[in-house]
Amino acid sequence: QQQVKQSPQSLIVQKGGISIINCAYENTAFDYFPWYQQFPGKGPALLIAIRPDVSEKKEGRFTISFNKSAKQFSLHIMDSQPGDSATYFCAASSMEYGNKLVFGAGTILRVKS
Amino acid sequence: DGGITQSPKYLFRKEGQNVTLSCEQNLNHDAMYWYRQDPGQGLRLIYYSQIVNDFQKGDIAEGYSVSREKKESFPLTVTSAQKNPTAFYLCASSVPSRENGYTFGSGTRLTVV
Repeated sequence: QQQVKQSPQSLIVQKGGISIINCAYENTAFDYFPWYQQFPGKGPALLIAIRPDVSEKKEGRFTISFNKSAKQFSLHIMDSQPGDSATYFCAASSMEYGNKLVFGAGTILRVKS
Repeated sequence: DGGITQSPKYLFRKEGQNVTLSCEQNLNHDAMYWYRQDPGQGLRLIYYSQIVNDFQKGDIAEGYSVSREKKESFPLTVTSAQKNPTAFYLCASSVPSRENGYTFGSGTRLTVV
């Protein structure tokens, strides 16, 4: 119930292409869904987040799509660049569980130039 | 600059020894967290603290201990009871508002030799 399942485990995209990472959850109490970006040897940093009352949120080249009925959400990176190469984590939290973040397993993205 | 400092960056420990990882923040955040990162498993919560002198176990607390005597500091001790301690350890902090996300440190890589 507390799990967030993330796929794919790794992804290779050509420069300029679209990177898509998917996550799914079971716990309907989750009400906040952030994405974190992590570069090698560094801690993750908040990239973008969404609440379940909206179906899409866009910030620059990054878009979260959210499907409440399917309990799924995804990150789209438009016009992917080599500098986007990193590990991406989806996460979820709920006020019911003290706002602690539950993370997905991570996706290693490599953008080829 | 405000942030989270984790030290040391690399740590080697002999089997059977306890070791303490340092985490200091100057963000004036109330909540602090310890996560363990292993390849393909994402970030798993070890312990968290929402206020000074109080902390709770996360999902994988066995073999670990923490203290929160000061708001700025949340050290993690990896004890000899932890069966597989080699991992990348991340400390994070947050304010009550989820919109600001977690601020992570740069991590400590612990290797048992």
